[in-house]
Order: sequence, then C-alpha cells, then structure tokens
Amino acid sequence: DGGITQSPKYLFRKEGQNVTLSCEQNLNHDAMYWYRQDPGQGLRLIYYSQIVNDFQKGDIAEGYSVSREKKESFPLTVTSAQKNPTAFYLCASSHYRGRDEKLFFGSGTQLSVL
Amino acid sequence: AQKVTQAQTEISVVEKEDVTLDCVYETRDTTYYLFWYKQPPSGELVFLIRRNSFDEQNEISGRYSWNFQKSTSSFNFTITASQVVDSAVYFCALIKGTGNQFYFGTGTSLTVIP
Repeated sequence: DGGITQSPKYLFRKEGQNVTLSCEQNLNHDAMYWYRQDPGQGLRLIYYSQIVNDFQKGDIAEGYSVSREKKESFPLTVTSAQKNPTAFYLCASSHYRGRDEKLFFGSGTQLSVL
Repeated sequence: AQKVTQAQTEISVVEKEDVTLDCVYETRDTTYYLFWYKQPPSGELVFLIRRNSFDEQNEISGRYSWNFQKSTSSFNFTITASQVVDSAVYFCALIKGTGNQFYFGTGTSLTVIP
C-alpha cells in the first residue's frame, strides 16, 4: 500500500545532540513537508520541498535542517541550536500544484529531550 | 496573508448529539482551497474534504456535512449523531491557488462521551 513512513515513532535527544527524523513516501509525490505540532498551537511549517535538491524554509525553520536527495525521502535534522525541540513532528506529501492537491500525512515522531 | 481560525479549542458532546466545528479563514486571494483533517489519537492526520473557492455547494458524506459560506469566510463542519469513534482533533486548513503553503488552524479537540 502507498503511504508515508516516519521513523522512529519515539525519539529522545540529549543536550547538544543532533537527531534525524526519517520520512519516506512511495506515493510518487513531488512535494514534501515537515510540520511541528505543539499542544494548542496546531501545525506549524518547518520546511518544505517541491522538487529534488530544492527546499524552502517555513515559518519556524531555525534550529532545523533538511535534505532532499531523492524524491521519496525528506529527512529532518533537529540540531542542537533548537532549544525547545520537544514536540510531535509530522511529515506530509502532496502532488505538485494543479492536480488533486491535498496533504497525506505520516503517523508522526514524538521527540523528547532527556 | 492567510489565516485560519478555529475558535473552539475543546468540545464535549454526548453520543448521538449533533456537533458543529467552526472554521473561519482570511485570504485576499480569489482562488483558494479549504480542507478538513481528522487527527485520531494515533497521530496521523486523515483527509476529510477539499473544497475550492468557486464551489460553495454544501456537501454531505454520511454523518458528515460541510457548510461553505464565502460571505462570512466560514467553512464549518457538522457531525450528525456523533459516535465515540468521532473523538479526535479536527483541523481546518487553507492553501491559496498560487501558493505552496498550507495554513492550518489550531484545531478543535472533540470528545464524544458514551
């Protein structure tokens, strides 16, 4: 079945450590997104990518980095510069503009600080 | 700028009651798309409906119905005869026709009490 796979489901980060969240999709979607979800704040966009080797900052990109070397993969690194990383992270994908554009989501990664 | 407001943070209803979730949006664009997503406790957001700005026809899908009114910039979601399985967080979202970002509301947490 087609879908988006996020791993791990739970992740713990130590002070000063970088951690990477994985996101893979087999939907043949061009665009991929990373959102951060905090209680009561809805979804905030961290980064998005519409084509391979290109990505754009969202509203809260500071302290995060991404890469898009393959169409199927869009990993997110939470760097030590992100001082408040505890949150639920959601990866999403969609078709390119002009088609039946809606977001498909993964099941999320809960990141906590030790 | 685009903005989506879901003023209801939490709603509790008794099973079989009807419930309406409010969504008010702001955009200066004439072409845009509105969405509703459901986030059950498992975490993954599930697509419910997509509506473009030129189609104000209300839609019904089983126990779910949506009322889109451009005059009041609202896209409300009604669940008829609610069930315990409807308990979730519901998000309203918007993307403008020429844009590449989805804008989410802060979500409404619905609890259906058996």
